[in-house]
Amino acid sequence: SQKIEQNSEALNIQEGKTATLTCNYTNYSPAYLQWYRQDPGRGPVFLLLIRENEKEKRKERLKVTFDTTLKQSLFHITASQPADSATYLCALRNAGNMLTFGGGTRLMVKP
Amino acid sequence: SQTIHQWPATLVQPVGSPLSLECTVEGTSNPNLYWYRQAAGRGLQLLFYSVGIGQISSEVPQNLSASRPQDRQFILSSKKLLLSDSGFYLCAWSPDHPGLGQPQHFGDGTRLSIL
Repeated sequence: SQKIEQNSEALNIQEGKTATLTCNYTNYSPAYLQWYRQDPGRGPVFLLLIRENEKEKRKERLKVTFDTTLKQSLFHITASQPADSATYLCALRNAGNMLTFGGGTRLMVKP
Repeated sequence: SQTIHQWPATLVQPVGSPLSLECTVEGTSNPNLYWYRQAAGRGLQLLFYSVGIGQISSEVPQNLSASRPQDRQFILSSKKLLLSDSGFYLCAWSPDHPGLGQPQHFGDGTRLSIL
């Protein structure tokens, strides 16, 4: 079955630095991958989608890369702010055409 | 614009009691609807999804069931709750099938605690 791995340890960075979160997957070649932001006690909010034929996608301070050879996606937040503190989830389309979500990585941006 | 509502926000229930969680979507028609459960620090587990009224697909066997009595209403139920049913339940909708890459839009969830 498909597995998604995100670093379960929180990522602590200083305000203004670039945060980089990793999403690794196995046993599948997804047609696309999505990233979501989840605040405590709230539902996830969609951020970006990247398709298998795209290497990189940008949206404001966010950048996502997709390496289908390494089976990895990287999610970058440049010029990070304390308001960026949240849990970030990656999700990929699985063999059943549904989304499989990773466990998320908590990002803490310190002022 | 489209909105999704879930209630209640929190619920404490004794073991063996019934459950009914409701989710409604506004501002769109014929959405795909989903119920997920999220355990602490873990990914979202898809429980049920629906592509239309009365059409329910179950992803995991359990003592939960789902129904879609109206186009924009999705209900999660149980006749007898187990301790293992505790968790954070999320309802979501998308305009099209996930295979097309459309994002899913989530409600703010129900925190269910079983005592």
